[in-house]
Amino acid sequence: GAGVSQSPSNKVTEKGKDVELRCDPISGHTALYWYRQRLGQGLEFLIYFQGNSAPDKSGLPSDRFSAERTGESVSTLTIQRTQQEDSAVYLCASSLAAGGYTDTQYFGPGTRLTVL
Amino acid sequence: AQSVTQLGSHVSVSEGALVLLRCNYSSSVPPYLFWYVQYPNQGLQLLLKYTSAATLVKGINGFEAEFKKSETSFHLTKPSAHMSDAAEYFCVLRGTSYGKLTFGQGTILTVHP
Repeated sequence: GAGVSQSPSNKVTEKGKDVELRCDPISGHTALYWYRQRLGQGLEFLIYFQGNSAPDKSGLPSDRFSAERTGESVSTLTIQRTQQEDSAVYLCASSLAAGGYTDTQYFGPGTRLTVL
Repeated sequence: AQSVTQLGSHVSVSEGALVLLRCNYSSSVPPYLFWYVQYPNQGLQLLLKYTSAATLVKGINGFEAEFKKSETSFHLTKPSAHMSDAAEYFCVLRGTSYGKLTFGQGTILTVHP
């Protein structure tokens, strides 16, 4: 596709349920990032994948959060036992990461998660 | 530690007036700085980026930003606001950690006719 896509666009779940969010990066982009934007706050970095290297998980807020990426394709962000404070827009981005420290990150439209 | 501070969560200007959105940063290494824009009901788009090649950076839609190391600032400007500029603007820093971006809190720009 032409850009980063995310699904679902909206997700409403009950407290305590698990959710999976999906991200399809731009074809050929080796780096993939997840961010979270809670209402009235800026974006928070969650996790970063670069090729086959170990991911940078330094932004994950708790062990209920995990993410996987197969090769240089799709990534899924999983939140277990969701809490109301997990309600946010979850954004995915990808970049070429062809050795350029300044590689531009291209963002998807986001998944709006609401935990009741 | 890295941080980005955007001064003013809301800025309102008249159509045709100067737009000035302020951003200050803190970084222990030479920073790479970006401005992203988020239009209503749309995703984040890159406006411009500073990569140390030139301190005055020109972006899309007539926006530009100047990197001032002595002031640790990267303010965004546009000489004449247009109604279509109404959006939320984020100043973003990439510092020590490859890939990780640090976002400012965002500034919502309103343009009045």
